[in-house]
Amino acid sequence: GDSVTQMEGPVTLSEEAFLTINCTYTATGYPSLFWYVQYPGEGLQLLLKATKADDKGSNKGFEATYRKETTSFHLEKGSVQVSDSAVYFCALSSDSWGKLQFGAGTQVVVTP
Amino acid sequence: DADVTQTPRNRITKTGKRIMLECSQTKGHDRMYWYRQDPGLGLRLIYYSFDVKDINKGEISDGYSVSRQAQAKFSLSLESAIPNQTALYFCATSDSLGGAAEAFFGQGTRLTVV
Repeated sequence: GDSVTQMEGPVTLSEEAFLTINCTYTATGYPSLFWYVQYPGEGLQLLLKATKADDKGSNKGFEATYRKETTSFHLEKGSVQVSDSAVYFCALSSDSWGKLQFGAGTQVVVTP
Repeated sequence: DADVTQTPRNRITKTGKRIMLECSQTKGHDRMYWYRQDPGLGLRLIYYSFDVKDINKGEISDGYSVSRQAQAKFSLSLESAIPNQTALYFCATSDSLGGAAEAFFGQGTRLTVV
């Protein structure tokens, strides 16, 4: 079955540091890929997505590129802020029903 | 007001009790989902529904049931709660744009079974 593997956290960074969170997936066909973010005490919200190979999703300074050859969708941000402290989830959807398969989540802590 | 509202936000219940978690949405979406979040496991799908007459089991439906009372309401029940059902539960909605549609999540219900 489908699965998503993402790097374990917590990841602790200083403000303005570069952030990378690795995500790889296993799926049949051509899934859509997502990054969701969960701020403390809140539900998840979509950060970015990509629906086909070589697509790049971007939002709020975050980027991720759909790499079919390496089955990866790594999340990057060039300069993090304290407000980026959250849990980040990589997810995929491999059918037309919108069901999401999530990775375990990576907690990111940004210190001033 | 939130687009997807879950009640209660927190609940402590005893083993063996029946409990219902409620979800309502104002997005106008047909598709609704219940997920469970556990540390180190991410979110896992419990049930999903595409309209009032359509209910489907997800990855971990054992011990749970659902009711889609209206397009905007989707309730999750634990018939006889057990401690390993202690978790954070999320309701989500999406529109009918296939697998790439954005999901909108409620703020979650933290359930503790003692």
